[in-house]
Amino acid sequence: GDSVTQMEGPVTLSEEAFLTINCTYTATGYPSLFWYVQYPGEGLQLLLKATKADDKGSNKGFEATYRKETTSFHLEKGSVQVSDSAVYFCALSVDGGSNYKLTFGKGTLLTVNP
Amino acid sequence: NAGVTQTPKFRILKIGQSMTLQCTQDMNHNYMYWYRQDPGMGLKLIYYSVGAGITDKGEVPNGYNVSRSTTEDFPLRLELAAPSQTSVYFCASSADRGRRNIQYFGAGTRLSVL
Repeated sequence: GDSVTQMEGPVTLSEEAFLTINCTYTATGYPSLFWYVQYPGEGLQLLLKATKADDKGSNKGFEATYRKETTSFHLEKGSVQVSDSAVYFCALSVDGGSNYKLTFGKGTLLTVNP
Repeated sequence: NAGVTQTPKFRILKIGQSMTLQCTQDMNHNYMYWYRQDPGMGLKLIYYSVGAGITDKGEVPNGYNVSRSTTEDFPLRLELAAPSQTSVYFCASSADRGRRNIQYFGAGTRLSVL
């Protein structure tokens, strides 16, 4: 079946530090890949996406590149801010089979200190 | 820009009570979903719907029921609440499925069963 594995948290960084959150996947078909972010007390919202190999998704200074050869979609940001403190979820979806669902990782809690 | 609206935001139930969590979306999306989020466990799909009058079970449907009489509304019913149903519940909707499945989430309902 489909699955997403992301690095365990929590991750604690100082403001302006570099962020990497690792995400790897297994999929029965050719997946689209997503990063969702959940700010405290809110629902999830789409941060960025990529739909084919070597695509780079980007938004709000975050980037992730779809690496088919390593089945990875790592999230990066060059300089984090306190306002980036949130839980980050990697997810995938595929056509065919279970195409109604998003498969989520367990989430990574990021805390950025001033 | 209402998006996906969930009510109530918080609720405390006694064991054995019943309640309905309301969800409505104004984006004319065909696909709607209910998730539960337990601490450190990511999101688990409870039920989903591909259109008015059509619903199906997700990964953890036991103890819940849904209906979809209109495109906009997708209520989740808890019968005979149990402590194991203490969780945060999220409703989501999407315009498409498969690799184009970008889901939009409500702010969540935090439920405690005591």
